[in-house]
Amino acid sequence: KQEVTQIPAALSVPEGENLVLNCSFTDSAIYNLQWFRQDPGKGLTSLLLIQSSQREQTSGRLNASLDKSSGRSTLYIAASQPGDSATYLCAVPDNYGQNFVFGPGTRLSVLP
Amino acid sequence: EAGVTQSPTHLIKTRGQQATLRCSPISGHTSVYWYQQALGLGLQFLLWYDEGEERNRGNFPPRFSGRQFPNYSSELNVNALELEDSALYLCASSRIGSSYNEQFFGPGTRLTVL
Repeated sequence: KQEVTQIPAALSVPEGENLVLNCSFTDSAIYNLQWFRQDPGKGLTSLLLIQSSQREQTSGRLNASLDKSSGRSTLYIAASQPGDSATYLCAVPDNYGQNFVFGPGTRLSVLP
Repeated sequence: EAGVTQSPTHLIKTRGQQATLRCSPISGHTSVYWYQQALGLGLQFLLWYDEGEERNRGNFPPRFSGRQFPNYSSELNVNALELEDSALYLCASSRIGSSYNEQFFGPGTRLTVL
């Protein structure tokens, strides 16, 4: 059974810092991994989708990497801004590839 | 292009009642997924519909059910509501029937059971 964990659970940084969020999954036979952002009480916004054949994806100040063999992904946020404050979730397909299994999220606060 | 829409935004019910939540996927998407996010808990998979059929369901009791209409919109029904059903219910859609593909989420319906 696929399980996803995220470290740290919460993170508070001053504006302008570069930071790394970590995601680990137990079954490395995944087809893709998706990173989301969730603002309090809101739905999820898709940030990046990495296919299993890719090692990384970039979008603006965000860069996500994937190491299937070690069961890890990292989300790198450059030059953080207060508007980046949110919960960041990673998700991978379950063992049957039929629905996503989500991590518990990392709650990020960027202080002005 | 319009995103995934959900209605209502908020829903307040009392224990024992039934709740109906609705979701419209992105145009061209045939798959709809439902997730529950209870306070303090992570996102839990509820149901997956594709081409009008239920393809998979998560570890939830049968009083959670739904359907998908010919226009690919979907409805989630929760019968005999219990206090612990209070949660944010999120709907997502994807282009074809596989979670190998990118999922796009709606804003959610906040269900409160009193």
